[in-house]
Amino acid sequence: GDSVTQMEGPVTLSEEAFLTINCTYTATGYPSLFWYVQYPGEGLQLLLKATKADDKGSNKGFEATYRKETTSFHLEKGSVQVSDSAVYFCALTSGTYKYIFGTGTRLKVLA
Amino acid sequence: EAQVTQNPRYLITVTGKKLTVTCSQNMNHEYMSWYRQDPGLGLRQIYYSMNVEVTDKGDVPEGYKVSRKEKRNFPLILESPSPNQTSLYFCASSLGGPPSYEQYFGPGTRLTVT
Repeated sequence: GDSVTQMEGPVTLSEEAFLTINCTYTATGYPSLFWYVQYPGEGLQLLLKATKADDKGSNKGFEATYRKETTSFHLEKGSVQVSDSAVYFCALTSGTYKYIFGTGTRLKVLA
Repeated sequence: EAQVTQNPRYLITVTGKKLTVTCSQNMNHEYMSWYRQDPGLGLRQIYYSMNVEVTDKGDVPEGYKVSRKEKRNFPLILESPSPNQTSLYFCASSLGGPPSYEQYFGPGTRLTVT
């Protein structure tokens, strides 16, 4: 079945460092891909999405490019802030109304 | 204010005692969904609903029931809770089904079954 694999966390960075969180997927058909963010004590929020190959999703300085050839959707940000500390989830849907989420990657940014 | 509300936010119960977690949205959304979040397992979808009276199973439906009698409400029912259902539960809604519409999540319900 469909699945999403995320890099293990936690990821600890200093403020202004470059961030990459890896996400790869397995899916039949042509999935749509998402990144969600969960701040402490809150529900998830959509960060960005891409619905077809080579699309780039972007929001709040975060970017991710849908790479069909490597089945990847890595999340990047050029300069992280303390306020970016959260748990990040990669997710997909593929031709159905179901969502498949990854296990989440915790990011901690130090001042 | 547009929002998804869940009640209760925290619940401690005993094995076998039926419970209901309510979910309500005030955005006239058609799609609603329940998830559970567990350490190391991430978020897993329990059930979803495309519209009133239309529900379907997610990846982990065993031990849960849902109903969608009104558009705004989507309660999660545990008829005989067991300790392995101890988890953090989230309800979410969106204007339509994936992938075109953003999901809005509730604040979560932390359930402990002893």
